[in-house]
Amino acid sequence: DAGITQSPRHKVTETGTPVTLRCHQTENHRYMYWYRQDPGHGLRLIHYSYGVKDTDKGEVSDGYSVSRSKTEDFLLTLESATSSQTSVYFCAISEKAGHTNTGELFFGEGSRLTVL
Amino acid sequence: AQSVTQLDSHVSVSEGTPVLLRCNYSSSYSPSLFWYVQHPNKGLQLLLKYTSAATLVKGINGFEAEFKKSETSFHLTKPSAHMSDAAEYFCVVSAGNYGGSQGNLIFGKGTKLSVKP
Repeated sequence: DAGITQSPRHKVTETGTPVTLRCHQTENHRYMYWYRQDPGHGLRLIHYSYGVKDTDKGEVSDGYSVSRSKTEDFLLTLESATSSQTSVYFCAISEKAGHTNTGELFFGEGSRLTVL
Repeated sequence: AQSVTQLDSHVSVSEGTPVLLRCNYSSSYSPSLFWYVQHPNKGLQLLLKYTSAATLVKGINGFEAEFKKSETSFHLTKPSAHMSDAAEYFCVVSAGNYGGSQGNLIFGKGTKLSVKP
């Protein structure tokens, strides 16, 4: 199994509070991703990183920010959580990216966030 | 633009019978296609991938998928279902090189496979 650890695995918080989810990898992969999974929507990309301090927005980035100060850590922050951000969040990593490569992602086990 | 449609949100089969999970894609160029599986309360795991080599792709646990360009399909099959195959399956298309070399993946909405004893 790929060495990906997400923390916390479960969190309940209140509307308006800040939340940070952490993804830690031991694979030294260049690319890291944050997805959210909601019933009927599959997985949707929030933000991704293509190197230390290099990040970009995904499909559903509003209300989220990310940081990557080290290769192994990718943080997802909800500055002021809302009920619509209740979801399961998955971190993923890949060694390569782009159309002409394998595109294989390795996923963490998810972080379930409930915003009351 | 790339997109992927999984034609069934839920498929139920009996153990020992064939499995067919359907996926259609849309892509402005030759795509890379993948199937991922997610068991309950777990992350996703790659089952198989198509990246412009052989059109019939074999994956783990006896699954295979055939890339059909004329039908823009990439259906997942297995000859004989096992109870352990019960999971959610996602068809995925590579969005290619937009905004650099990041290659975002576009996920279908998933098909939940139930296997009856």
